[in-house]
Amino acid sequence: KAGVTQTPRYLIKTRGQQVTLSCSPISGHRSVSWYQQTPGQGLQFLFEYFSETQRNKGNFPGRFSGRQFSNSRSEMNVSTLELGDSALYLCASSLAGAASSGANVLTFGAGSRLTVL
Amino acid sequence: QKEVEQNSGPLSVPEGAIASLNCTYSDRGSQSFFWYRQYSGKSPELIMFIYSNGDKEDGRFTAQLNKASQYVSLLIRDSQPSDSATYLCAVWNSGGSNYKLTFGKGTLLTVNP
Repeated sequence: KAGVTQTPRYLIKTRGQQVTLSCSPISGHRSVSWYQQTPGQGLQFLFEYFSETQRNKGNFPGRFSGRQFSNSRSEMNVSTLELGDSALYLCASSLAGAASSGANVLTFGAGSRLTVL
Repeated sequence: QKEVEQNSGPLSVPEGAIASLNCTYSDRGSQSFFWYRQYSGKSPELIMFIYSNGDKEDGRFTAQLNKASQYVSLLIRDSQPSDSATYLCAVWNSGGSNYKLTFGKGTLLTVNP
């Protein structure tokens, strides 16, 4: 069973540019969540999508956006990049369901490491 | 108040000892609780989850949940050097519009041979 696939794995951008990251969830998983991880802040929640609908959004500026497609694949976009956007961006998928069933266990991809110069 | 709090560590234990990792959370409506392990340069991987009060054991790992005290812990018995990693406590909320897993900042565990 294939895991969560994130592309690209590494990328370098300059300030002011924009970037799009892609995430393919585990087959059958309908929920996709995105996180930003930095050494100082840990894992910060960006957004969660389920059946193409954003159900929750973290406290990030509007430069951070995302979407989910009908096949559950998701993309996130960061516009007007700033130096502080340098981070590991992690995508995770889950079945989404009752807590007792473990259906909301998140499985993470390997991440996309973004460096902004 | 931070939503999920953990001691940042580092926590250092000798090989074969019991490592005890603790976590508190602020939202009483939280429904399920997770422990992830993250090796340096890698993504988090699930160790175990717990959703009801009490203990849950899986091999050398035991998760303990006390909802009244808003406290969850992870015990690692017979710690091995390969257990050296950052341990992340996470709390799931799905009430209202809160569909998210909130992580603590993690506790760095070092197991010394």
